Amino acid sequence: AQSVTQLGSHVSVSEGALVLLRCNYSSSVPPYLFWYVQYPNQGLQLLLKYTSAATLVKGINGFEAEFKKSETSFHLTKPSAHMSDAAEYFCAVSVAGGSYIPTFGRGTSLIVHP
Amino acid sequence: DTEVTQTPKHLVMGMTNKKSLKCEQHMGHRAMYWYKQKAKKPPELMFVYSYEKLSINESVPSRFSPECPNSSLLNLHLHALQPEDSALYLCASSQDVRVDLTDTQYFGPGTRLTVL
Repeated sequence: AQSVTQLGSHVSVSEGALVLLRCNYSSSVPPYLFWYVQYPNQGLQLLLKYTSAATLVKGINGFEAEFKKSETSFHLTKPSAHMSDAAEYFCAVSVAGGSYIPTFGRGTSLIVHP
Repeated sequence: DTEVTQTPKHLVMGMTNKKSLKCEQHMGHRAMYWYKQKAKKPPELMFVYSYEKLSINESVPSRFSPECPNSSLLNLHLHALQPEDSALYLCASSQDVRVDLTDTQYFGPGTRLTVL
């Protein structure tokens, strides 16, 4: 079975500061990893995904994530936070070659201060 | 068109009512999903349809009944719900259930359900 752990239920940054949202995974087979964003009163949107190609994955809205097998991590970063980035972020894992039915982490709420 | 639409946006129903949630996509996707999301929690998978056939039922109570009339439509029929069923119900679609055969998973905006 696979799982993800998101460290920190809330992350607070100032506008223009680096955004770092942490995600560690557990999987007995090579994983596929995802980051989703959910803005208030909306559905989820896929930011980016890792599917065993390049370990540095670039997504939408200036976000990127790096797959580090040695650390079993897939942290999400953005160089400069915007107020519009305030949302709930979910890391998720699926099994490579398996079904597109990700197991979600508990979520991290990103708060951006002016 | 990369949109998944859901109707209604909001629904309030009593415990004896029968209602339905609707989901539609026109991206030619062959996998469609229902999720339930409580406040401040991640989505919980309820059902998966693959090529219009129910492929996964995550032990959902029978008061929730899914239906896939065609490849573009997904319904969730509700009957005799409980107050604890109040949540955001999200629909999603993808090209296929297999990760290696699909580009991404698209979510609709959800239906916020309140059971009185």
